[in-house]
Amino acid sequence: EAGVVQSPRYKIIEKKQPVAFWCNPISGHNTLYWYRQNLGQGPELLIRYENEEAVDDSQLPKDRFSAERLKGVDSTLKIQPAELGDSAVYLCASSLGPGGYTFGSGTRLTVV
Amino acid sequence: GESVGLHLPTLSVQEGDNSIINCAYSNSASDYFIWYKQESGKGPQFIIDIRSNMDKRQGQRVTVLLNKTVKHLSLQIAATQPGDSAVYFCAENIGSNYQLIWGAGTKLIIKP
Repeated sequence: EAGVVQSPRYKIIEKKQPVAFWCNPISGHNTLYWYRQNLGQGPELLIRYENEEAVDDSQLPKDRFSAERLKGVDSTLKIQPAELGDSAVYLCASSLGPGGYTFGSGTRLTVV
Repeated sequence: GESVGLHLPTLSVQEGDNSIINCAYSNSASDYFIWYKQESGKGPQFIIDIRSNMDKRQGQRVTVLLNKTVKHLSLQIAATQPGDSAVYFCAENIGSNYQLIWGAGTKLIIKP
């Protein structure tokens, strides 16, 4: 089993530029999450998908963040425009239900 | 507000000794708890979980204890090894909303 695959691993961009992260969850996992993790802190949920439906996006800053999971498998998280405070690790996770969370290695975003 | 927190940000343990990492939670409605291990540059990795109808669960070299009376959770690692060096997070789940609430993490340092 390949696990949750994320790309890119690292991204450095200038502020006000757009950036996108990609996630491929574990096969068969209908639930997909995007988290943001700041240094030394626990992950914070941004959005949760059940198949292709975003069932919890209450923590997603919708003025600049967007996400999609068109076919209920892969997902993309986008930031446009990026701000300095967006620098963090963006984690994707998938699960079959509570407790089955498997995380990817994350994308470390640095906004300069 | 409701949150999950850890008592110590850093724990130093001699190699071969047992480690105990503590976690306090405030929501008595939480019914499922998970410990994650996060190594540098990686996503959180599932270690062990426990449901609220249990007070102890054992895995390979790890034991989780749950004290619902005082809302306390602990992770015990037996015979700590250098590979156990990481940040450990506890997380709680409430009901079936699939959303985890995370603590801030404890960094475990292994002394040779």
